[in-house]
Amino acid sequence: EVQLVQSGAEVKKPGESLKISCKGSGYRFTNYWIGWVRQMPGKGLEWMGIIYPGDSDTKYSPSFQGQVTISADKSITTAYLQWSSLKASDTAMYYCARRNEYAYFDFWGQGTLVTVSS
Amino acid sequence: SYELTQPRSVSVSPGQTARIPCSGDTLPKQYAYWYQQKPGQAPVVVIYKDSERPSGIPERFSGSSSGTTVTLTISGVQAEDEADYYCQSADSSDTSWVFGGGTKLTVL
Repeated sequence: EVQLVQSGAEVKKPGESLKISCKGSGYRFTNYWIGWVRQMPGKGLEWMGIIYPGDSDTKYSPSFQGQVTISADKSITTAYLQWSSLKASDTAMYYCARRNEYAYFDFWGQGTLVTVSS
Repeated sequence: SYELTQPRSVSVSPGQTARIPCSGDTLPKQYAYWYQQKPGQAPVVVIYKDSERPSGIPERFSGSSSGTTVTLTISGVQAEDEADYYCQSADSSDTSWVFGGGTKLTVL
């Protein structure tokens, strides 16, 4: 059974750093792209970027380039999304999702809620 | 950056047909995908590659493409179809993807 399990909710202060995770299981982790999607409170989905764990090839949305870093550790089948300096506007639910051979996200994590507040 | 445009809301009565358009400059060359999201849940794809339906998705969901506009059609809308719907596609270089702003489907 394919599963993506994300790390738990986080409450951080502006300026702090953060790294959230997404652990894949039930499939060959290195063979599928993993993407990250942001959903701010009451708002729509935003495509942030995607990584191919097999060779760490990474693509970012222009809106998120330089704002976050996407990485993966294939030895532990885990993808990451990290910030070096959080802002209040980073408050959102963040989903990871697997992109299948038809180029759509077929399996999703449960989401990680990140709250940034002073 | 690249954008996909959807109406904010669509309303239909049960049993009627709902049509949700999505427009974007690269849609003639890039496939579109449609996701359904219900409150508190992760999205689920209902249409891929413009008009293909994944297994498990009811036949009342269909997709079409014409020029710079793709359309999600839900025939015989049911109360359970009330949700937010997002189109998704890629930019011209296929290096970055984007979601449309989302359309809230209300079943009256």
